[in-house]
Amino acid sequence: GAVVSQHPSWVICKSGTSVKIECRSLDFQATTMFWYRQFPKQSLMLMATSNEGSKATYEQGVEKDKFLINHASLTLSTLTVTSAHPEDSSFYICSASPLAGTQYFGPGTRLLVL
Amino acid sequence: DAKTTQPPSMDCAEGRAANLPCNHSTISGNEYVYWYRQIHSQGPQYIIHGLKNNETNEMASLIITEDRKSSTLILPHATLRDTAVYYCIVAPTGNQFYFGTGTSLTVIP
Repeated sequence: GAVVSQHPSWVICKSGTSVKIECRSLDFQATTMFWYRQFPKQSLMLMATSNEGSKATYEQGVEKDKFLINHASLTLSTLTVTSAHPEDSSFYICSASPLAGTQYFGPGTRLLVL
Repeated sequence: DAKTTQPPSMDCAEGRAANLPCNHSTISGNEYVYWYRQIHSQGPQYIIHGLKNNETNEMASLIITEDRKSSTLILPHATLRDTAVYYCIVAPTGNQFYFGTGTSLTVIP
């Protein structure tokens, strides 16, 4: 149980394009989903928290207009990196939390912007 | 910001117990202690969590000191597949996680 998937697992795109990453909780309903970013040899950095049906809460320094988050259902959240640039290249990881429960992480999406 | 301090790296002989410490001296009464591990290029894997009592599951044991200011994750019989970065996180249940730098555990044959 407690499986979280992400799609795609890796993506390469040209600078200036937008990329959408999906995060799904497969066997539970996720009241809250979280998005993290991880650069090489660094720890995970929380980007934003999203609750189903409401606007995401972004961490300080994360541009909400650049990283669009939608949490339209209790099993799906999406992160769209708009107008991606090479500095946005990173490992993006989502997690999902059932009501008052712990977080279960997806396998991550590796983004490379050329 | 992360509220935990962990040693940056540790080695453990295969088959022996791995004891990973974590300091969280500013933990609040409603904050749990969570442990996750991350194997290279994968998402973090949940290991165990607890509030104040010691906990054990099929993966590990969690020992929390009485004052809750520190804890130890115990992997009873380490295998090569336990080589990973281990993260200790304190947070209220359902709340945001702020990761520290973790401990890179290397299990040596």
